[in-house]
Amino acid sequence: GAVVSQHPSRVICKSGTSVKIECRSLDFQATTMFWYRQFPKQSLMLMATSNEGSKATYEQGVEKDKFLINHASLTLSTLTVTSAHPEDSSFYICSANPMGTDEAFFGQGTRLTVV
Amino acid sequence: GQQLNQSPQSMFIQEGEDVSMNCTSSSIFNTWLWYKQDPGEGPVLLIALYKAGELTSNGRLTAQFGITRKDSFLNISASIPSDVGIYFCAGYSNSGYALNFGKGTSLLVTP
Repeated sequence: GAVVSQHPSRVICKSGTSVKIECRSLDFQATTMFWYRQFPKQSLMLMATSNEGSKATYEQGVEKDKFLINHASLTLSTLTVTSAHPEDSSFYICSANPMGTDEAFFGQGTRLTVV
Repeated sequence: GQQLNQSPQSMFIQEGEDVSMNCTSSSIFNTWLWYKQDPGEGPVLLIALYKAGELTSNGRLTAQFGITRKDSFLNISASIPSDVGIYFCAGYSNSGYALNFGKGTSLLVTP
């Protein structure tokens, strides 16, 4: 299967700082990537859709100024959590579909802890 | 997105037993996907289904796309301890481009 790499896998940051998470498709190109948030023992919750060369589409209730998304190339999307607060602590996961397919491949996830 | 109804929520079985879990939706789906997620990891794609009635296997795993296009099941035969994890169904409906997810089935296998 296709490979999506997410970095870092774990990060601890202080309140008020910003954290950048990278999502790379290693062996395919993706015009669209997806960012999810997952709370303990729950399913994945879509936060936003990252579109290469254009603005991201955010789901209802997700603050676009807090969760900045940049999709600069066909293999890289980044999610920046700005002015992080403890309530932003969560597991963030990205996914991408090889172009022309419905199969979504996920990154390893990033465990963010804000202290 | 649409929440899929996935059951059971959890299963606790002995090694060697077969397992079955299913997902239903209120609307027609074009694609069904089954994923396994280990703790602290992202979901890994197990099986993808594209046609109503399609039955697909991946080793000891078998999944089917329901003929009504509103349901899918996943079977695991002869379970082993490494089958432990959370299994999610997911799919695309006619109306959306984003994946809809079930709430997951937590599987525990005792040796």
